[in-house]
Amino acid sequence: EVQLVESGGGLVQPGRSLKLSCAASGFTFSNYYMAWVRQAPKKGLEWVATISTSGSRTYYPDSVKGRFTISRDNAKSSLYLQMNSLKSEDTATYYCARLWERFDYWGQGVMVTVSS
Amino acid sequence: EIVLTQSPTTMTASPGEKVTITCRASSSVSYMHWYQQKPGASPKPWIYETSKLASGVPDRFSGSGSGTSYSLTINNMEAEDAATYYCQQWNYPSIFTFGSGTKLEIK
Repeated sequence: EVQLVESGGGLVQPGRSLKLSCAASGFTFSNYYMAWVRQAPKKGLEWVATISTSGSRTYYPDSVKGRFTISRDNAKSSLYLQMNSLKSEDTATYYCARLWERFDYWGQGVMVTVSS
Repeated sequence: EIVLTQSPTTMTASPGEKVTITCRASSSVSYMHWYQQKPGASPKPWIYETSKLASGVPDRFSGSGSGTSYSLTINNMEAEDAATYYCQQWNYPSIFTFGSGTKLEIK
């Protein structure tokens, strides 16, 4: 059974940093692109980052480019999202998702609140 | 960047009613994916590559479309279908866009 379990969320002050983790199991992690998708409270879904199977290629929307970094450790079947210079508009539930032409599996999500 | 516009934003349907949700792309796209999300839960893949049902999706659901116009249809609305539905598109090399969502409620 495919499982994606996020961790690392919490309350953080504006301008500070936070690192999210996603532990994957039930599939060969190194064979799949992975991504982070977020959802602000009562809002829609927003793609945040994608990483290739080896980690050599990463992609971001303009809203987080230069502030967020996606990475992976295939030996640990783990995905990460380093978030720097956090803003109030980054407040959201962050989902880890597996990519196979679409987001075919999602984690349960982890809440990040950016507030002073 | 391709923008996806969903309509309606919210709608209410009676049990047994036929429901159609539309997703329009700002430029022609090859296919559309759809997700279902219920309150407090993660999104679920629902329809992929425009018309293929994800595992476990009832066959009262269908998807269609081409070019800039795509739709998700429910024949015989049921209470369990009440949810928010999102369309999603992929752009080369690895850029993803979601529609703003359609909240479907049961009467």
